[in-house]
Order: sequence, then C-alpha cells, then structure tokens
Amino acid sequence: AQSVAQPEDQVNVAEGNPLTVKCTYSVSGNPYLFWYVQYPNRGLQFLLKYITGDNLVKGSYGFEAEFNKSQTSFHLKKPSALVSDSALYFCAVRDRDTGRRALTFGSGTRLQVQP
Amino acid sequence: SAVISQKPSRDICQRGTSLTIQCQVDSQVTMMFWYRQQPGQSLTLIATANQGSEATYESGFVIDKFPISRPNLTFSTLTVSNMSPEDSSIYLCSVAGGPYNEQFFGPGTRLTVL
Repeated sequence: AQSVAQPEDQVNVAEGNPLTVKCTYSVSGNPYLFWYVQYPNRGLQFLLKYITGDNLVKGSYGFEAEFNKSQTSFHLKKPSALVSDSALYFCAVRDRDTGRRALTFGSGTRLQVQP
Repeated sequence: SAVISQKPSRDICQRGTSLTIQCQVDSQVTMMFWYRQQPGQSLTLIATANQGSEATYESGFVIDKFPISRPNLTFSTLTVSNMSPEDSSIYLCSVAGGPYNEQFFGPGTRLTVL
C-alpha cells in the first residue's frame, strides 16, 4: 500500500520569506513523488517530480523539493514566497515497483502568503 | 503535456437524477483516471479506464453508481447515477503521460446535488 501525509493543513508565510510545505510518504518499494498546485476554481497543475538521481528537484515557478530517503520525505520549498503562490498544494506518490499507475494524494496544504 | 477538457464545467442537479461528465484529450493516451475531490478534501481515485477493457474501480466505488465509458484513446465519460447530496464534489479526469506516470488533470467538473 502507498500513502502520503501532509501534516499541516495550512502554512502562513510573509511575502519574500522562504516557504516549506511538508510531505512524507510510505511505499513498499521505491517512490515516484510529485507536487501539484490547485488554484481556486481550477484543476491541478503539475509542479515537479522526483524519479531518480539528484535529491534536489527543481520545478515550475521557482519551486523545488528535496527527496530524503531516510526520512521518507519530499518537502516543497521556495526561497522567496510571492502572494500569487497562495493556493492549495498536494503531494502525491506512486510506488514504481508495482503495476499501479494511479497516484495517491496527500490531504493537501493551503499556503497563504501575506503581503 | 496533454491538454484535457471536461464538460460540463459545473452543474446543479436534483437528487435521484444522473449526470454524465465528458473528458476529451488532445492526444491518444492508454490510461485515463477519474478522481473525486469532495469539498475541502484531497483527491480520491474512483477508477482507472483503459480503452478496450472494463474500468477498474477502487474500493468503495462501484460500476452501477459510476459507470465509465472509454470508446477510444482520446475520450472517456463518467456517469454519476442516482445522485444524492453526498455526491456533491469536483470530478477530475486525468491521463498518464510519459514513462513515469506524470499525470495531467482536466479542469474538473463541479457538481452540486440538491
């Protein structure tokens, strides 16, 4: 079985400050990991993914995420937050050692960036 | 990345009726997925739809309630049958692209059942 935990329902950060949105995962094999963002009344947009290789993954809009196998984490980060980053963020996982192709999503974290 | 459209974008329906949601992709894809996002919650997979075979449903979802069609490699429909207010959700279609199953999502259909 595969699962994802996003321990924070909401993260508040001031514009210009660094942000971190936490994600931990559980798979029986090796993970493919993803971050998606959902703006109000819109579908999910892909931000970035970890497949293999470098533990630091860079994605869209200046976001990056760090894969940590020992801590089974894949935290989303950005050095300097923008008000326009305010949205709902989802972490997702897929166990690449099974035949299951669908993703399992975390509960989501609402990011609020204050001006 | 695939471009995915869904119809309708939103609807308000009466209890006991059915609604069919359409999903159109601009390229041929083998796997399509239907997810549900209940208010304030995460995405839950309803079923996986492969062209030429029956859809595979997740635990808690059944074909009688959520029949799915997949007539070709660019199109799928999800029907929400005999609706109740608990079916009020956003329904999202997605496709798997590339070797790592990076999924792309449609804009969603916001369903309200009265």
